[in-house]
Amino acid sequence: QKEVEQDPGPLSVPEGAIVSLNCTYSNSAFQYFMWYRQYSRKGPELLMYTYSSGNKEDGRFTAQVDKSSKYISLFIRDSQPSDSATYLCASDTGGFKTIFGAGTRLFVKA
Amino acid sequence: DTGVSQDPRHKITKRGQNVTFRCDPISEHNRLYWYRQTLGQGPEFLTYFQNEAQLEKSRLLSDRFSAERPKGSFSTLEIQRTEQGDSAMYLCASSLLGGRGNTGELFFGEGSRLTVL
Repeated sequence: QKEVEQDPGPLSVPEGAIVSLNCTYSNSAFQYFMWYRQYSRKGPELLMYTYSSGNKEDGRFTAQVDKSSKYISLFIRDSQPSDSATYLCASDTGGFKTIFGAGTRLFVKA
Repeated sequence: DTGVSQDPRHKITKRGQNVTFRCDPISEHNRLYWYRQTLGQGPEFLTYFQNEAQLEKSRLLSDRFSAERPKGSFSTLEIQRTEQGDSAMYLCASSLLGGRGNTGELFFGEGSRLTVL
């Protein structure tokens, strides 16, 4: 079992839709939870960063972490074609190693 | 600073040849990481350096792989006697040690894509 599980999609939505991306994790020691966005042929870039449980909002993006169920979510409001990318959830224990999910490919159609 | 740079961006080689990738991290970052990413998968941790010290290596890093970070600046990843299974994107990332001792934000380069024929 991978430490971070993520549905690879692809997920295709019309422009303006609300997108929900989800991950589960198995390591109870994870304290930090991240969402990275990766465009084709580019390296990942950090989108959201959360410590422990709770919600964090940044513009059209909201990250949620529920440590009791080991569930990580990212919501994108008013999705745009420029949001089309692969979204990687990631976690770490506060040490040195960030563990990534497989990534969900998102397509937002104009 | 222009971010993390990697060279070459793409390398095609024949099975059995040696290849070397270079990574130049963001100058003030004290941690440097190598990850490997295959098609449809997320990045997998290979190794990391804190300054010039290599502090952890993944079991994915066989003895054909060696990484160095002389003087705590740029890093190289060498793969000897390449195999077709080594074909992947090799990503370098750097970060500042976080206030809680956590990894902090990883800043990735654009990767070096290896194709082994």
